[in-house]
Amino acid sequence: AQSVTQPDIHITVSEGASLELRCNYSYGATPYLFWYVQSPGQGLQLLLKYFSGDTLVQGIKGFEAEFKRSQSSFNLRKPSVHWSDAAEYFCAVGYNDMRFGAGTRLTVKP
Amino acid sequence: KAGVTQTPRYLIKTRGQQVTLSCSPISGHRSVSWYQQTPGQGLQFLFEYFSETQRNKGNFPGRFSGRQFSNSRSEMNVSTLELGDSALYLCASSFIRGQTQETQYFGPGTRLLVL
Repeated sequence: AQSVTQPDIHITVSEGASLELRCNYSYGATPYLFWYVQSPGQGLQLLLKYFSGDTLVQGIKGFEAEFKRSQSSFNLRKPSVHWSDAAEYFCAVGYNDMRFGAGTRLTVKP
Repeated sequence: KAGVTQTPRYLIKTRGQQVTLSCSPISGHRSVSWYQQTPGQGLQFLFEYFSETQRNKGNFPGRFSGRQFSNSRSEMNVSTLELGDSALYLCASSFIRGQTQETQYFGPGTRLLVL
């Protein structure tokens, strides 16, 4: 069965520092992978997706993610975090019945 | 292009009542999925509709049901509400290419509180 694990429940980084959010998946075939962001009380906004091809994927707001099949990972990165990036981040796998990770809450220190 | 819209945005009900939530997908999107989000269980898939047919279903009791209309708008219904049904209900729409559902775009959600 497909599943997603986000090992970090909460991460705090300083503004301007780099960020990496971890995501590991379990999926029987080539996965469709996504990262979404959710601000408090809001719906989910798509940051980026991987279907096939280049394993380094660029997204919106300066985010990128790298698909590593050997590690079953799809980690999200940003070189320099802004205070507005504070939110909850969800990794997801699948397509017709998407499975989400538990989420990682990002706090940004001034 | 307008995004996914959900109505109402907020709802308060009491135990035992039933509720109907509505979702209008992005124009041209024929797949609509529903998710429940709670602090304890996170985001859980409820069901997906395509061309007025339920294609996939998550692990929820029969009190949770849905339907899709010919214009792709979708409704979900929860009967005999329980306190644990308090949640943010998210709807997502996507374009179908062949048999494959592409990226899901989410609405703002309906926050349901059951008292």
